Amino acid sequence: EADIYQTPRYLVIGTGKKITLECSQTMGHDKMYWYQQDPGMELHLIHYSYGVNSTEKGDLSSESTVSRIRTEHFPLTLESARPSHTSQYLCASSGQGVRTDTQYFGPGTRLTVL
Amino acid sequence: ILNVEQSPQSLHVQEGDSTNFTCSFPSSNFYALHWYRWETAKSPEALFVMTLNGDEKKKGRISATLNTKEGYSYLYIKGSQPEDSATYLCAFVDGRDDKIIFGKGTRLHILP
Repeated sequence: EADIYQTPRYLVIGTGKKITLECSQTMGHDKMYWYQQDPGMELHLIHYSYGVNSTEKGDLSSESTVSRIRTEHFPLTLESARPSHTSQYLCASSGQGVRTDTQYFGPGTRLTVL
Repeated sequence: ILNVEQSPQSLHVQEGDSTNFTCSFPSSNFYALHWYRWETAKSPEALFVMTLNGDEKKKGRISATLNTKEGYSYLYIKGSQPEDSATYLCAFVDGRDDKIIFGKGTRLHILP
């Protein structure tokens, strides 16, 4: 069982609100990732981090931002939520990079913006 | 734009039958291929990471093969059980930049 947690699991919120999706892992992994998945579509990497104070944008352009102040914590923030942000957001971590190591995924946050 | 294709999109299999499905990926700049199983309301769970052409990996009744020259991997499930019902995702790792690209998955339903 992977020790990676996401809160909230479900969030319904109005347009214009600021939201933060939490992701924490207790495995001491340096590498952490955020994916976005629309229904019936692929997981798309939106942010990743290779360690504390390191953050990079992924392949899919996203208006969200991330921070990595502590190894175990990788929150994602949307300053002003819009209906186009409605999606599922999955957090993952790995000990090594994706070249040789599997990723451990959290259960996801399903976000609906009204 | 790199494409990872999985087929079929959805599959219904009788309990006890064996099945397989395909992941197709670019044959150039290959570094690794991941397989994950994603049960409804749970987290995706890693099955295999494969890196070498001709690799075969096995975990219980599930096995996978890899052909990097032609750009495909097969996932096999022997003697399907209800707990095998899930979406199976593959992901290609591009050796140029370590980007990981997921397919849309194959949704497997095991019929009792």
